[in-house]
Amino acid sequence: RKEVEQDPGPFNVPEGATVAFNCTYSNSASQSFFWYRQDCRKEPKLLMSVYSSGNEDGRFTAQLNRASQYISLLIRDSKLSDSATYLCVVGGHGSSNTGKLIFGQGTTLQVKP
Amino acid sequence: DTGVSQDPRHKITKRGQNVTFRCDPISEHNRLYWYRQTLGQGPEFLTYFQNEAQLEKSRLLSDRFSAERPKGSFSTLEIQRTEQGDSAMYLCASSLYEQYFGPGTRLTVT
Repeated sequence: RKEVEQDPGPFNVPEGATVAFNCTYSNSASQSFFWYRQDCRKEPKLLMSVYSSGNEDGRFTAQLNRASQYISLLIRDSKLSDSATYLCVVGGHGSSNTGKLIFGQGTTLQVKP
Repeated sequence: DTGVSQDPRHKITKRGQNVTFRCDPISEHNRLYWYRQTLGQGPEFLTYFQNEAQLEKSRLLSDRFSAERPKGSFSTLEIQRTEQGDSAMYLCASSLYEQYFGPGTRLTVT
């Protein structure tokens, strides 16, 4: 079983739609949680950190459920420029906490006009 | 440009050759990471440096792989006797808290 599991999609949505991505993680000792965005053939870029209290950045809302080991990302009013792969990322494992990140496979979003 | 830089951006090599990649982190970042990404997968952790000390290595990092970070500044990743399975994007990231990635080195082993 992978440490971080995501539905790879693709999710094809029209402009203006609301879309939600979910992922689950297996290591209950994980301490930090993120969503990264990766455009085709580019490096991953931090989209947002994820907190148990939930956090919002414009059209993007992220939520963490530690009890269920579940992370979500909601994108409202999708734009063509949101088309990318969204990587669910978990970090901060164990007492050494080197900060290494464990990535999910990524979920591909294609927003169509 | 104050971001993470990597060199070369692309490398094509024949099986059995040695290759070396370089990463220059953001200057004030003391943590440096190497990851490998294959098509359709998320990046996988390879190794971690805090300043010049290599503190963690993944079991993915076979004895053909070696990484250094002399003086705690730039880092190099060397692959000896390359195999076709080494073909991937090699990503470097640096951090104080959140990790910022370089553009990667795409390696193709023929």
